[in-house]
Amino acid sequence: SSELTQDPAVSVALGQTVRITCQGDSLRSYYASWYQQKPGQAPVLVIYDKNNRPSGIPDRFSGSRSGNTASLTITGAQAEDEADYYCNSRDSSGNRVFGGGTRLTVL
Amino acid sequence: EVQLVESGGVVVQPGGSLRLSCAASGFTFDDYAMHWVRQAPGKGLEWVSAISWDGDNTYYADSVRGRFTISRDNSKNSLYLQMNSLRAEDTALYYCAQDSLASPYTPGGYFQHWGQGTLVTVSS
Repeated sequence: SSELTQDPAVSVALGQTVRITCQGDSLRSYYASWYQQKPGQAPVLVIYDKNNRPSGIPDRFSGSRSGNTASLTITGAQAEDEADYYCNSRDSSGNRVFGGGTRLTVL
Repeated sequence: EVQLVESGGVVVQPGGSLRLSCAASGFTFDDYAMHWVRQAPGKGLEWVSAISWDGDNTYYADSVRGRFTISRDNSKNSLYLQMNSLRAEDTALYYCAQDSLASPYTPGGYFQHWGQGTLVTVSS
C-alpha cells in the first residue's frame, strides 16, 4: 500500500475550484510534486517544489502544503483538466513514492 | 525538446527475462538522475528504480529489488532496465522519466519529463 493517500475520485463543476489532497507523514519533510495523466497518455508534471509550475502549465494550477497534507488546487476548472492526478514524494526509506491517484471529473 | 523513447517491451513467460531501453535526447543526459516508473493496466503509477547521473548509485522498490537492475550508458544517452525472474504482477507499461537533479536522493527532486512507455506483458 502507498504511504501517500489520495481520494480515489473528485468532481467539480465547470469553472469552479477544486482541491485534490495527498496525505502522508513524509510530506512534513518533503514537498510533493503533482502529475496529470489523461487517458492513453504519459504523465505530465504540473506542480513541483513549494508551488512552481513548469512552462506551459496554466496558472489555474497551484500547490500548497499544511502539516502532512499536500494539495493541488485548480481554480476555475476547465473541461480539459479532466484527468487522473498523482502526487509524489518520499517514503520512509527516502525512495520516491506515488499516491494512489485521484480521478477528476469536470461536470 | 526533451525526448525519451522506451523500447523492448514484449510478451514474456513467467520466470523469463527482458531488457528495456530508453533513448534520451534534447538535454545533457549525464547531468540528471533517471528513473523507471510503471503502471499496471487500469492501476496507478508505481516507482520502480532510479540511478544517479554517473551510474554509481542505484535504488529499487522492494517489489523488484534482487530481480531488476537499472543501468545507464552516458556515451549513448541511454537508460536500461534488466528484468529477471518476471512475474505476472510485473505486467505494466514501463515509463522512463528524467529527474530534475543529478541524484535521485537529493531532496526536492521531481520527474521533469516522461517517455510514452513500453508495454511488458508477463503471461504463459
